Amino acid sequence: EAGVTQFPSHSVIEKGQTVTLRCDPISGHDNLYWYRRVMGKEIKFLLHFVKESKQDESGMPNNRFLAERTGGTYSTLKVQPAELEDSGVYFCASSPLANEKLFFGSGTQLSVL
Amino acid sequence: SQQGEEDPQALSIQEGENATMNCSYKTSINNLQWYRQNSGRGLVHLILIRSNEREKHSGRLRVTLDTSKKSSSLLITASRAADTASYFCATDPRDDYKLSFGAGTTVTVRA
Repeated sequence: EAGVTQFPSHSVIEKGQTVTLRCDPISGHDNLYWYRRVMGKEIKFLLHFVKESKQDESGMPNNRFLAERTGGTYSTLKVQPAELEDSGVYFCASSPLANEKLFFGSGTQLSVL
Repeated sequence: SQQGEEDPQALSIQEGENATMNCSYKTSINNLQWYRQNSGRGLVHLILIRSNEREKHSGRLRVTLDTSKKSSSLLITASRAADTASYFCATDPRDDYKLSFGAGTTVTVRA
């Protein structure tokens, strides 16, 4: 069974540029989550999709961040325009049941210079 | 704000020893989960304990939950070099929807 895949694994961009992260969840998992870890601190919640709907997006930092989940399958997280403080590791996870036993991708290391 | 907080931040032990780490949280929960992250990889789910449970075992892992103290512990017995990783607790709060993680405990097992 394929796990959660994230692309790219690393991204280095300049301040002001746009970056789009992609996540392919495990097939059949209705729940999809985005988290971010900055500089070894806690892993912060960004948002949670149930199928194609946003269940909770209270963790999204500001309107420079836009997440979509087309047809309830893969998800994208766009940062536009990127700022220095957006640097960190962005994790995507999926699960069959909400908030139980999340399966994580390996993350995207985003560096904004 | 951060719901779960692990303690200690870092732990170094000899192979074969036991490792214990703790998680404290602030509000009532539905369940508490422990995850492991090896360097450069994604988090892997280890164990889930529900609010009405007090102890669970999985292989060399033992998790306890004390809801009166709002705390949990993860014990790894007979540690191995492969247990070197960061360990995170995650809480599913009753009064909030999102699953919240702490900053993790970094465990180093020395050969």
